[in-house]
Amino acid sequence: EAQVTQNPRYLITVTGKKLTVTCSQNMNHEYMSWYRQDPGLGLRQIYYSMNVEVTDKGDVPEGYKVSRKEKRNFPLILESPSPNQTSLYFCASRVGTAYNEQFFGPGTRLTVL
Amino acid sequence: EDKVVQSPLSLVVHEGDTVTLNCSYEVTNFRSLLWYKQEKKAPTFLFMLTSSGIEKKSGRLSSILDKKELFSILNITATQTGDSAVYLCAGGYNFNKFYFGSGTKLNVKP
Repeated sequence: EAQVTQNPRYLITVTGKKLTVTCSQNMNHEYMSWYRQDPGLGLRQIYYSMNVEVTDKGDVPEGYKVSRKEKRNFPLILESPSPNQTSLYFCASRVGTAYNEQFFGPGTRLTVL
Repeated sequence: EDKVVQSPLSLVVHEGDTVTLNCSYEVTNFRSLLWYKQEKKAPTFLFMLTSSGIEKKSGRLSSILDKKELFSILNITATQTGDSAVYLCAGGYNFNKFYFGSGTKLNVKP
């Protein structure tokens, strides 16, 4: 089944404790992206990647890091999480061609205490 | 500053009604306008529009883009309770960077 998977789905952590949210897709998509969703603010793009080793900042990259060492994986790293990073995070992917839809993962709900 | 504004923020209708959701955008180097439906999970893709004035249709849903006036509308005819969701639109910068609106919450009552 073609899908985008994220792990963990739920995470409660404390301020300053480094964490990684994984994202994996099995559709051989070139493009992958991370979003956060907060009430009243909609989806905001954090980082995106056009292909392996090619990443760029979205609208709200501060406090986040990403890497794209393999085509299928695009982990989101929070080196020192803070409470304002409490949010619902979505990973998405699409074929590299511009005219294709993005497929979203199921979401990761992160709480930073 | 790039931004996408959706209206109304929420809407309550009865089954069978027709609704129009609005999306206005100010996106530098605009290339595409996307519509998504989000129930209590991940957004699912509805439409992608790149050309002005060309309507896209899928069943009871349709959408059109006006690049001169910088807006798009999403129409849903003969609404059903299963249409209840948050509808998101996004403006694409260079096809890679996207700015989403805060969404319109649609509630369709039986």
